[in-house]
Amino acid sequence: AQSVTQLDSQVPVFEEAPVELRCNYSSSVSVYLFWYVQYPNQGLQLLLKYLSGSTLVKGINGFEAEFNKSQTSFHLRKPSVHISDTAEYFCAVSESSGGSNYKLTFGKGTLLTVNP
Amino acid sequence: SAVISQKPSRDICQRGTSLTIQCQVDSQVTMMFWYRQQPGQSLTLIATANQGSEATYESGFVIDKFPISRPNLTFSTLTVSNMSPEDSSIYLCSGARGGGGTQYFGPGTRLTVL
Repeated sequence: AQSVTQLDSQVPVFEEAPVELRCNYSSSVSVYLFWYVQYPNQGLQLLLKYLSGSTLVKGINGFEAEFNKSQTSFHLRKPSVHISDTAEYFCAVSESSGGSNYKLTFGKGTLLTVNP
Repeated sequence: SAVISQKPSRDICQRGTSLTIQCQVDSQVTMMFWYRQQPGQSLTLIATANQGSEATYESGFVIDKFPISRPNLTFSTLTVSNMSPEDSSIYLCSGARGGGGTQYFGPGTRLTVL
């Protein structure tokens, strides 16, 4: 079984500042890693994913994340945030063994609030 | 990305009644899932919707309360039965393709039970 810990429940930042949202996971098998964003009153949108290969992955809206296997982390970063980035961000993990097991385990979420 | 739609988008229901939520995905999706997101909480997987057979439920969720159907590859329904105020949540369906099984989510159904 896997688990995901998002270390910060809320992150307030000023517009144009850099931000890092932290995510650590626990698993006994190899995993795929995902970041999703949920804007107010909307469903989840995939920001980026790590399946294999380069540990630095780039996503939509200028976000990127780095997979660190030794630290079991997958932190999300953006060098300069906008007011429109205000949303809830969820880190998620699934087993990479494939087959029929693509179930996602989600972290509790981090509310990013960008202030002017 | 996959195209996933849900309806209704929201509903207000009375205690003791049932609501069926529909989810339609595009043809490239192979797997479908149903999640619950309680107010201010993260997502919890309810079940995997299996085409033409009984859904696979996660611990804490039972078929009598959350019957699920998936009559074909691209359509599934979730029924929330005998509702109570504790069932007030957002219910989301998702679809996954092969090659990493990335899941794409529908817009969700916001359910309020009075």
